[in-house]
Amino acid sequence: GENVEQHPSTLSVQEGDSAVIKCTYSDSASNYFPWYKQELGKRPQLIIDIRSNVGEKKDQRIAVTLNKTAKHFSLHITETQPEDSAVYFCAARLPGGYQKVTFGTGTKLQVIP
Amino acid sequence: GAVVSQHPSRVICKSGTSVKIECRSLDFQATTMFWYRQFPKQSLMLMATSNEGSKATYEQGVEKDKFLINHASLTLSTLTVTSAHPEDSSFYICSADPGGLSGNTIYFGEGSWLTVV
Repeated sequence: GENVEQHPSTLSVQEGDSAVIKCTYSDSASNYFPWYKQELGKRPQLIIDIRSNVGEKKDQRIAVTLNKTAKHFSLHITETQPEDSAVYFCAARLPGGYQKVTFGTGTKLQVIP
Repeated sequence: GAVVSQHPSRVICKSGTSVKIECRSLDFQATTMFWYRQFPKQSLMLMATSNEGSKATYEQGVEKDKFLINHASLTLSTLTVTSAHPEDSSFYICSADPGGLSGNTIYFGEGSWLTVV
């Protein structure tokens, strides 16, 4: 089955700096890669996603890049703010509505004011 | 956007009793829902895939007789923790796939904190 690795496990940045979280996946057939933000005790919220036919996607301060050949994808947050502090999960999914979503181990991001 | 509601948000039960958690898709139909368990400071661990009108598919190591899943309609899946023990205390969260134009996106319920005393 699919396996997703995520690094780093924790990340501290100064407010205004950029943050980068990296993930790798094992199954080359995976074609959907979402990123979720989870605040303590709350549900994961989808913040951005990318499909395998696209190499990069941007939404304001958040961007995701995908390298299908290397089977890795990254989340980039620019101009970080304290409210960006949370746990971020990457995930990969094979095509098909019945397919499960495989999550990375999570990255705890702390933005220091 | 797609809304998934989960109930109850918090529940405390006595050891040996059973607890039912509901997961509803409010504005879409979901043939597939997923149930996860999350321990503090850890990732989401998939327990089972719930398919409407058929038996759930359980992940390896998850006891199907202990964690009963029922997906009786296209908008409701339930997870029943039977004969609960303190080690079952955890954050349980469901997700649902709207399918169609949403692509492969899944949406999460609010989660349920279970405490077994």
